[in-house]
Amino acid sequence: IAGITQAPTSQILAAGRRMTLRCTQDMRHNAMYWYRQDLGLGLRLIHYSNTAGTTGKGEVPDGYSVSRANTDDFPLTLASAVPSQTSVYFCASSDRANTEAFFGQGTRLTVV
Amino acid sequence: GQNIDQPTEMTATEGAIVQINCTYQTSGFNGLFWYQQHAGEAPTFLSYNVLDGLEEKGRFSSFLSRSKGYSYLLLKELQMKDSASYLCAVRDSNYQLIWGAGTKLIIKP
Repeated sequence: IAGITQAPTSQILAAGRRMTLRCTQDMRHNAMYWYRQDLGLGLRLIHYSNTAGTTGKGEVPDGYSVSRANTDDFPLTLASAVPSQTSVYFCASSDRANTEAFFGQGTRLTVV
Repeated sequence: GQNIDQPTEMTATEGAIVQINCTYQTSGFNGLFWYQQHAGEAPTFLSYNVLDGLEEKGRFSSFLSRSKGYSYLLLKELQMKDSASYLCAVRDSNYQLIWGAGTKLIIKP
């Protein structure tokens, strides 16, 4: 793989179910991010990690959790999905906090 | 609060020039980014401005005025493939990116 990869590409999920969105990068970037993108709104930061072993809350963290056990992986977990979490989720990474971010191809999640 | 404003939609003609404006109010400033996003795809990086002035990169240029909280993206010699959304983002004092909602650019033949 080259760059940043997300899985799955799309998913339909029953409300109340637990779901983990996977994100892996092979660029050895220190910083990683999870965003959600909804129609008419800008990308909104859910959680971020400036380096392996650390995480932080973004603008809309409620209902989501993350972990950063190593440099490459940054999974996002929905503990108990609700319909308002229907969105397109993008994982991104950057070499440092002040450089451009590279995005994965996105995960389209529908909670019914 | 923090705010990034850009027009929702613009239309231009193939071969012409278009300017997409972005105004921002953020807690601190550590650079402004422009990204391109085709429908159903991920955003891709276009340009970065941290100092006032114009940055040129081929058919695309980006301008920044920090005192006015203003930037624009200029696209020249428009091609049909330039039909996309253009996202403005500012890195704030915590080095987090604050995103505008994006400008959908429609190119007509």
